[in-house]
Amino acid sequence: GDSVTQMEGPVTLSEEAFLTINCTYTATGYPSLFWYVQYPGEGLQLLLKATKADDKGSNKGFEATYRKETTSFHLEKGSVQVSDSAVYFCALIYGGATNKLIFGTGTLLAVQP
Amino acid sequence: EAGVTQFPSHSVIEKGQTVTLRCDPISGHDNLYWYRRVMGKEIKFLLHFVKESKQDESGMPNNRFLAERTGGTYSTLKVQPAELEDSGVYFCASSQTLTWATETQYFGPGTRLLVL
Repeated sequence: GDSVTQMEGPVTLSEEAFLTINCTYTATGYPSLFWYVQYPGEGLQLLLKATKADDKGSNKGFEATYRKETTSFHLEKGSVQVSDSAVYFCALIYGGATNKLIFGTGTLLAVQP
Repeated sequence: EAGVTQFPSHSVIEKGQTVTLRCDPISGHDNLYWYRRVMGKEIKFLLHFVKESKQDESGMPNNRFLAERTGGTYSTLKVQPAELEDSGVYFCASSQTLTWATETQYFGPGTRLLVL
């Protein structure tokens, strides 16, 4: 079945470092791909999404490109801040009668000043 | 506009007891989803309502879980009797459209359930 695999954390970076969180997926078709973020004490928030191959989603300095050839959707940010510390979830929707999200295990990012 | 709200934020119960979780979606959202994250693993889909009807309940783990959505507004998820493996964070999400390419699911803060 459809699944999402993302790099395990925690990922610890210093402020202004470059961030990459890897995400790959397995799907029988062409899903939409998402990154959600959960800040401490809050619910999940949509960070960015891409609905077709080669689309780039971007928000708050984060970017991810939908790569069909490598079935990947890696999250990147050029310069992280302490406020980016959170858990990041990669997810897909494969459509159908119900739009259930299929999530990866989440990656905890800790940014130190 | 108020977001998705969930109650309670935390619940600690003993094995065998009953717990009811509540979710209030964003006003006007027909779609309501329940998800669960167990012990740092992936967040897993439980079920999906469209208004008051269950569209997909393929993720419900067993018949100890009962979900309802009264009048297509708020939803409750009851666990009876609770088992240790039910511990985790239960998320609710709502959305306005069912077009998978354009839909955005808005999540609540979750209910942290601990079964002792």
